[in-house]
Amino acid sequence: QSVLTQPPSASGTPGQRVTISCSGSSSNIGSNTVNWYQQLPGTAPKLLIYSNYQRPSGVPDRFSGSKSGTSASLAISGLQAEDEADYYCAAWDDSLNAYVFGIGTKVTVL
Amino acid sequence: EVQLVESGGGLVQPGGSLRLSCAVFGFTFSSHAMSWVRQAPGKGLEWVSGTTGSGGTTYYADSVKGRFTISRDNSKNTLYLQMNSLRAEDTAVYYCAKALLWSELDYWGQGTLVTVSS
Repeated sequence: QSVLTQPPSASGTPGQRVTISCSGSSSNIGSNTVNWYQQLPGTAPKLLIYSNYQRPSGVPDRFSGSKSGTSASLAISGLQAEDEADYYCAAWDDSLNAYVFGIGTKVTVL
Repeated sequence: EVQLVESGGGLVQPGGSLRLSCAVFGFTFSSHAMSWVRQAPGKGLEWVSGTTGSGGTTYYADSVKGRFTISRDNSKNTLYLQMNSLRAEDTAVYYCAKALLWSELDYWGQGTLVTVSS
């Protein structure tokens, strides 16, 4: 159980748009920026989105992030087979003085 | 090229100790905060500990507070995690990660497996 709530799974067909939600509270998402990580099977996590909506160099613009209040979301447009992975949201929590991850959302490309 | 290489994992008995190391290359180590993140088999990511570039400030997850100690040697470009009083639930792949500013973990190592079992 995590302080950040994500759906355990999401799916879509190639070319579709998939959105993953991340719900927190005033002590984490409400007062700090949100980061998103992609973890392909058997590999280390990769930073996908930082500071709510910024993309690191090399991340396709099919991936976008947003934040409103105590919630954030990750959108994948034009879903591709290679996007099949686990996606985690994360944020610093001022009450816990700790970095917290969501439980992760497994995205399946149908 | 930025690289992070963890070492020191292995099999340890409950109550035992282990020290993980993370050697870094390709960036100014002392200028960046660093974190340890772990992943139990088949489970999600769990942040374990973080430290500022100087090492002067450290933070820990409640699950490891008082048992684990993060440190760094900026002269050796190496991050450490001293793990004491290990429990079965500490079994996981441990990753070290570089922070862009503080919590944006933009580079990760390949991970080192720690197994706590008798």
